[in-house]
Amino acid sequence: DAGVTQSPTHLIKTRGQHVTLRCSPISGHKSVSWYQQVLGQGPQFIFQYYEKEERGRGNFPDRFSARQFPNYSSELNVNALLLGDSALYLCASSFMGLAEQETQYFGPGTRLLVL
Amino acid sequence: AQKVTQAQTEISVVEKEDVTLDCVYETRDTTYYLFWYKQPPSGELVFLIRRNSFDEQNEISGRYSWNFQKSTSSFNFTITASQVVDSAVYFCALSEVSNDYKLSFGAGTTVTVRA
Repeated sequence: DAGVTQSPTHLIKTRGQHVTLRCSPISGHKSVSWYQQVLGQGPQFIFQYYEKEERGRGNFPDRFSARQFPNYSSELNVNALLLGDSALYLCASSFMGLAEQETQYFGPGTRLLVL
Repeated sequence: AQKVTQAQTEISVVEKEDVTLDCVYETRDTTYYLFWYKQPPSGELVFLIRRNSFDEQNEISGRYSWNFQKSTSSFNFTITASQVVDSAVYFCALSEVSNDYKLSFGAGTTVTVRA
C-alpha cells in the first residue's frame, strides 16, 4: 500500500511569492495534518483537516491556508513568502475514527527554500 | 510552554553500545498518547511506537525498548546494540484528547552511531 505522498519534493521561491504544496493521504485515511519543521527543531503543527473541515489550526499567520478535497488529498498554501518560511513541510494522515487508530503517518515532506 | 522536553540534543556512540533517549512530557489530560518517531537524513518521519496513558507496560521490539513512567511523566527510549543505521534524529511527541490529537513534538535528539 502506498504511504503518504507529497509534491513537490523540493521548491525554491523568492520573497513575496506564493506556494502550493500537495499531499495525498494513505488510502482509507480521512484526516490530514500539516507541520512545519525548521532546521534543527521539531515539527510544529499548522493545520488539521478531517472530512474537508478544518479541525484545528496552530499558531501561524493568516498567510498560511489549507484545504482538503473530497478524495481527502490536501493543499497547503502560503502567501507573501518570507525568508523564515524556509523549512521542511510535512504532511501526516490518520484515520480519525476510533481513538486507538490515531497514529499519524508522515510523508517525505517538501523542502521549501525562500530566497 | 513546552509540552515535550528532550534534554539531550546530541548523543554519539560506538556501534554495539546501548543508547537511551530521554523524554519528559507535560499534560493535564488523563487520556493522552505518546509517540516516538525516527527521522533519517532523508527527512521522512518514521513511526516507531504509540503508547496510551493507561498502558504503563514497558515494550520491547527487537533492539528497541520503551520505558513509560507516569509518575515521572517520562517515556524513555533505548536502542540496544546500536548500529550505524540507527543514526538519525529521534523525536518524542505527545497527543492529547483535549487538543484534538494534534502532535506536540520535542526538539529531537540526534543520534550518531560510529562504526
